[in-house]
Amino acid sequence: DAMVIQNPRYQVTQFGKPVTLSCSQTLNHNVMYWYQQKSSQAPKLLFHYYDKDFNNEADTPDNFQSRRPNTSFCFLDIRSPGLGDAAMYLCATSRDAGGAETQYFGPGTRLLVL
Amino acid sequence: GQNIDQPTEMTATEGAIVQINCTYQTSGFNGLFWYQQHAGEAPTFLSYNVLDGLEEKGRFSSFLSRSKGYSYLLLKELQMKDSASYLCAVRDHDYKLSFGAGTTVTVRA
Repeated sequence: DAMVIQNPRYQVTQFGKPVTLSCSQTLNHNVMYWYQQKSSQAPKLLFHYYDKDFNNEADTPDNFQSRRPNTSFCFLDIRSPGLGDAAMYLCATSRDAGGAETQYFGPGTRLLVL
Repeated sequence: GQNIDQPTEMTATEGAIVQINCTYQTSGFNGLFWYQQHAGEAPTFLSYNVLDGLEEKGRFSSFLSRSKGYSYLLLKELQMKDSASYLCAVRDHDYKLSFGAGTTVTVRA
């Protein structure tokens, strides 16, 4: 089945130790998104790629970076995780941007910072 | 900025009907989405409204009034598996989806 895959499902890291979360998709969608969701809060968009074009949200901290080496894969790099970065990180894809285009979410990676 | 409001929690009995309201004030409007999110899982798409009126899809229906900045999700014939968080999300003029914090629905036997 076509889907959005995130690995790992759970990630534990130490304060200040770089960590990378990965997302892959078999939907061949043009757009990939990274959201941060803290407990009982709305998902917050960090950035997205339209094909190879990177779009950063204005309030996304510099500590968060992303790479999209090809259509299928997208990575979220947290350079120096702080305790406040503990959250669920959701990857989503859509065929195109805007209009009725639905975003399809992966299962998420829950990050714990010790 | 975007402002999307929905109730924090609702409780209902199995077999009943529940209506989850969502009001929004956004800089632009290009459609409203409802997603279901079970605890610890990813959101899954339920419905999309861009024109005023009611969209029915099985046990779930979604309504939109653009002039009032208002939508609701109606869940009929509630089942235990419907216990989840329901997220209202508005798309602005471009690509961006702004989510509400979600309404946690608890279905009791």
